[in-house]
Amino acid sequence: SQQGEEDPQALSIQEGENATMNCSYKTSINNLQWYRQNSGRGLVHLILIRSNEREKHSGRLRVTLDTSKKSSSLLITASRAADTASYFCATDTYSGAGSYQLTFGKGTKLSVIP
Amino acid sequence: KAGVTQTPRYLIKTRGQQVTLSCSPISGHRSVSWYQQTPGQGLQFLFEYFSETQRNKGNFPGRFSGRQFSNSRSEMNVSTLELGDSALYLCASSLVTGGFPDEQFFGPGTRLTVL
Repeated sequence: SQQGEEDPQALSIQEGENATMNCSYKTSINNLQWYRQNSGRGLVHLILIRSNEREKHSGRLRVTLDTSKKSSSLLITASRAADTASYFCATDTYSGAGSYQLTFGKGTKLSVIP
Repeated sequence: KAGVTQTPRYLIKTRGQQVTLSCSPISGHRSVSWYQQTPGQGLQFLFEYFSETQRNKGNFPGRFSGRQFSNSRSEMNVSTLELGDSALYLCASSLVTGGFPDEQFFGPGTRLTVL
């Protein structure tokens, strides 16, 4: 089952606009990560935000985390055609015996139109 | 540093056959995880190996198995292939800095088609 669920499933914007994607999860987490995947390729790590952090920046990316609402958002500012990709949030899920696994949502497909 | 490599990149098999996929992690990474990605189910965790031991296992049948060698390279095996096993299989490696999943570095994946 999915721990994180992204919203919207698909998003289409013009180049230069901002893109916001949301992720909701069900159980408490230790950290939340965002990844990008270009069509049919491997995933690329974007940002990791820990449960005691509220906001994190990396270049044109801004991630927020609200643990009380069990939600996170990824903002991409001044989007470019090269940002066209699927974006996934991933949370750590306790899998027993003191170990955790990474559970991914189904992703948001972002299209940036030149 | 070289990234995560996976071989082969593409594979076509028929139902009932078995397949072995290989993953070489980034040098120094001791944790290797495998994921299956399909349009319907998305990214699903298969298993994680750390220092040659399976540390975590997802909810997949016993036909899916894996192992890790002393040099951290990992293989996964799927026996008695079914049509539903057609998927992109992704391998990811990471440093283990604490108890929780850290940044994962993904390989390009192996696209398996079962006919």
